[in-house]
Amino acid sequence: EAGVAQSPRYKIIEKRQSVAFWCNPISGHATLYWYQQILGQGPKLLIQFQNNGVVDDSQLPKDRFSAERLKGVDSTLKIQPAKLEDSAVYLCASSPPGQGVRMETQYFGPGTRLLVL
Amino acid sequence: AQSVAQPEDQVNVAEGNPLTVKCTYSVSGNPYLFWYVQYPNRGLQFLLKYITGDNLVKGSYGFEAEFNKSQTSFHLKKPSALVSDSALYFCAVRALAAGSARQLTFGSGTQLTVLP
Repeated sequence: EAGVAQSPRYKIIEKRQSVAFWCNPISGHATLYWYQQILGQGPKLLIQFQNNGVVDDSQLPKDRFSAERLKGVDSTLKIQPAKLEDSAVYLCASSPPGQGVRMETQYFGPGTRLLVL
Repeated sequence: AQSVAQPEDQVNVAEGNPLTVKCTYSVSGNPYLFWYVQYPNRGLQFLLKYITGDNLVKGSYGFEAEFNKSQTSFHLKKPSALVSDSALYFCAVRALAAGSARQLTFGSGTQLTVLP
């Protein structure tokens, strides 16, 4: 089974520029998550999708961050304009559909490391 | 609000010795608890979870964790450490009652170093 795919793996931009990250979840996984992991901290959830609908985006800085999941499969996360404090690893995760304990496990991609200069 | 504390930034242990990585949590109601491991330049890998049932949970690579409700703890353990276990370990929690909003709250991580 292929894992969660993310691209690019690394990105360096200057502040005020825009950037986009792409995620392809595990096939058949209905739920998709974007996390931000700042160096020395644990991941923080930015947004959660169930199919192509948003379940939780309470911690997404909506003035600069946006995300979409068209057709309920791939997802993109965009930052516009970027700030220095956005330097972090952006992790995508997915979990299986259905009910019960199986759907509770999240599977993570390798992440995109963003450096804002 | 839910939270996780990993009181040790760094744990060193000799190869072959038992290891413990500590985690305490705070959540309204019953918790779902998880341990993830992160190797350099890689995403988080699932190790084990507590949802319900037996307080002692066994996971991947010989790891286990014990859920202690009275102490609100979920410490990760392994009877005999390997050098290859050296990595960053994260504990995470979410409230059972949160329904479809399965927001995990992660601790700040514990760097485990197993010395040969």
